[in-house]
Amino acid sequence: GAGVSQTPSNKVTEKGKYVELRCDPISGHTALYWYRQSLGQGPEFLIYFQGTGAADDSGLPNDRFFAVRPEGSVSTLKIQRTERGDSAVYLCASSLTGTPGGTQYFGPGTRLLVL
Amino acid sequence: AQSVTQLDSHVSVSEGTPVLLRCNYSSSYSPSLFWYVQHPNKGLQLLLKYTSAATLVKGINGFEAEFKKSETSFHLTKPSAHMSDAAEYFCVVSSNNNDMRFGAGTRLTVKP
Repeated sequence: GAGVSQTPSNKVTEKGKYVELRCDPISGHTALYWYRQSLGQGPEFLIYFQGTGAADDSGLPNDRFFAVRPEGSVSTLKIQRTERGDSAVYLCASSLTGTPGGTQYFGPGTRLLVL
Repeated sequence: AQSVTQLDSHVSVSEGTPVLLRCNYSSSYSPSLFWYVQHPNKGLQLLLKYTSAATLVKGINGFEAEFKKSETSFHLTKPSAHMSDAAEYFCVVSSNNNDMRFGAGTRLTVKP
């Protein structure tokens, strides 16, 4: 596609529920990144995929967070037993090769609100 | 370890006057440095990046930034602000991996 797309654009859920957030990267981009942006802060790195594998998941805050990219394209970020503190904008980015210093192209984000 | 500090959380300028958004970085390795802009309800857009080539980097929309290793700075400038420049700006540092560290952001307001 023309750019990185994310669905849904907004998600409201209740504390304790499970949510899935989807990212469609730019076609042909091998690297995919997830970030979380809390109100008034800059994006915070969560996880990075090179192809199908998670090359770096050091930013995931705890084991309630998990992400997959089974075919090396679309990725899903999964959050179990959501908490109010998980409320944030979740951003996805992709880059052509994942070379350090390479340009990352960002999607519009999914705004998650946990009530 | 790497990090960035954006020295101003909010900058306000008048249309047609210069813009200066300040950023200092910390990195154990030769860094790559970026400036991204975020308009309301839109995705982050790359303005420019430094990756160890020319220290003065020109970006889109008339923005430029200068890498100063001695000062560990990468300030963003524009000679003349336009109303459409009003947005949130993020300075980002990346070292020898794919770990990009964002600053807290600077909100630019442009007054008519």
